[in-house]
Amino acid sequence: QVQLVQSGAEVKKPGASVKVSCKASGYIFTTYAMHWVRQAPGQSLEWMGWINAGDGYTGNSQKFQHRVTISRDTSASTVYMELSSLRLEDTGVYFCARAPGYCSETNCYEARLDAWGQGTPVTVSS
Amino acid sequence: DIQMTQSPSSLSASVGDRVNITCQASQGISYYLNWYQQKPGKSPKLLIYDASSLETGVPSRFSGSGSGATFTFTISSLQPEDVATYYCQQYENLPLTFGGGTKVEMK
Repeated sequence: QVQLVQSGAEVKKPGASVKVSCKASGYIFTTYAMHWVRQAPGQSLEWMGWINAGDGYTGNSQKFQHRVTISRDTSASTVYMELSSLRLEDTGVYFCARAPGYCSETNCYEARLDAWGQGTPVTVSS
Repeated sequence: DIQMTQSPSSLSASVGDRVNITCQASQGISYYLNWYQQKPGKSPKLLIYDASSLETGVPSRFSGSGSGATFTFTISSLQPEDVATYYCQQYENLPLTFGGGTKVEMK
């Protein structure tokens, strides 16, 4: 069965960076895109960016333009999301989520997030 | 960015009730609309994609309709296990955006 297993909870200080991993299994890793979505405490879902696992092409929300880096290791079927210059308001739960299809610079085709990781809580506190 | 507005933000209904949730996009998004269910402390789960297609394994009491800018999500007969928050999400354009959520509680 499809599984996305994320790395464990993190506590960071403002200004630091955090790197969250998402290991995929149960499907052909390179035939899907992977998205990152975060959820602040008590809030809705916020999309951060994506990577086409096949060609490694990535894109980010303008909100995180210069702070988020998404990468993948095809040999390990793992996607990574690194968020830098952490702020208190980056506290929340970070999810990876798989989508069929692929993304271009302006569109993601078939962007239904049909499998999700368990979430990684990130706390930013001084 | 395309804004997604859900209503109501919360509702309380009884077992067996029909529940409707509306999602309004700030511009037309064709049928590029998905619905998710999130239970407390859990990851979201895809229920409906492309506005009206039922994800595999999802009970048939869940349905979706609409196109353009106005969409409706329906639970035909509310069950206790349906207590959750429901989100719509558009993928007409990047960035992908979600609605604010509708919390469904049992009366």
